[in-house]
Amino acid sequence: DTAVSQTPKYLVTQMGNDKSIKCEQNLGHDTMYWYKQDSKKFLKIMFSYNNKELIINETVPNRFSPKSPDKAHLNLHINSLELGDSAVYFCASSRREPNEKLFFGSGTQLSVL
Amino acid sequence: DAKTTQPNSMESNEEEPVHLPCNHSTISGTDYIHWYRQLPSQGPEYVIHGLTSNVNNRMASLAIAEDRKSSTLILHRATLRDAAVYYCILRGGGQNFVFGPGTRLSVLP
Repeated sequence: DTAVSQTPKYLVTQMGNDKSIKCEQNLGHDTMYWYKQDSKKFLKIMFSYNNKELIINETVPNRFSPKSPDKAHLNLHINSLELGDSAVYFCASSRREPNEKLFFGSGTQLSVL
Repeated sequence: DAKTTQPNSMESNEEEPVHLPCNHSTISGTDYIHWYRQLPSQGPEYVIHGLTSNVNNRMASLAIAEDRKSSTLILHRATLRDAAVYYCILRGGGQNFVFGPGTRLSVLP
């Protein structure tokens, strides 16, 4: 079983559309994250969420919103997509303790045309 | 979140050891040192982590300086499949995993 799974793997869409990326983890972790990796390959954290507390990177536009129906899921909703949103988006999960590992999904390649 | 500094890139020959350095002079006493790597077209994966003592696992070894202001990831025999970007990250209690640019390791046959 895949520990952190995200769908879809590829997403091609037009500017202005609204889209979602789903993420599920079966590791029993209490914290989930979304990262964005742009064309320069920098991995930037967008959100962390542990079912009580949402921490948002202040540079993330409010067109991006995480939605967590339960502890095992953290979906990413993006409204009014822009060309600059094209990137690879990674979901990840961990426990909160500092000695716990981070597990990543395989990524979603988003292309905005 | 505490910061780390790594060389942008390194090169190694296949089947030779590789030492990837990381400086973290502002590390606090409760920060763990984590290493992850990202193979081409994949998500990052865990390599190793430690607090004060050196650590070994089947993938690599982690050597931590006595003052903890630096650490070195050691790949004992580099293979072509080890070509990746290696990230050194500090994580304290309740903190996020913040990734820097990492070190791009090239392995030459």
